[in-house]
Amino acid sequence: DSGVTQTPKHLITATGQRVTLRCSPRSGDLSVYWYQQSLDQGLQFLIQYYNGEERAKGNILERFSAQQFPDLHSELNLSSLELGDSALYFCASSVDVRGTEAFFGQGTRLTVV
Amino acid sequence: GQNIDQPTEMTATEGAIVQINCTYQTSGFNGLFWYQQHAGEAPTFLSYNVLDGLEEKGRFSSFLSRSKGYSYLLLKELQMKDSASYLCAVSGGFSGGYNKLIFGAGTRLAVHP
Repeated sequence: DSGVTQTPKHLITATGQRVTLRCSPRSGDLSVYWYQQSLDQGLQFLIQYYNGEERAKGNILERFSAQQFPDLHSELNLSSLELGDSALYFCASSVDVRGTEAFFGQGTRLTVV
Repeated sequence: GQNIDQPTEMTATEGAIVQINCTYQTSGFNGLFWYQQHAGEAPTFLSYNVLDGLEEKGRFSSFLSRSKGYSYLLLKELQMKDSASYLCAVSGGFSGGYNKLIFGAGTRLAVHP
């Protein structure tokens, strides 16, 4: 158990809908990362937060947004969902933003039908 | 886009040694990580290099040359359970922002009896 909790584990929804994925980082970790992993693909970096502030952005679609709350948990919001958004979404946390090991949650498997 | 390259697939025999290479380009560097990922599961941390040289950890070793933008992961005494994807990740500056933790596409290793 990495100490990073993601909910829900599985999510099935229809095209055009909006979903929210939740991540609770390890105790003491201030940095949260979100990644998307499509079938047989690598981890695509979406966005990173540190202590409530956005610190780095990857190829995140405008339909996607995220935030980190004062209690350090983070949410990834996906809207106007398309079939191609079906993927595993991983959250990872680390102590800070520079060169420290990131621990991954078990992921949320999103299926858009 | 991402500037981390590693081979897509490798095969090896149980009991043998395999070396997985990774090359990267960044404008800043805070460390290089290797993760193992079994299909459908979360990546798990294997090793971290921030200075040049070899880090040994049981059957796994990782090497870094910052001047060459090069790393490798060495797996000894291969076991069937080592069949997985091995992800090279770099913490540092990439186009569009700094302090990102970016992953390569992964090397799928198949260990045969």
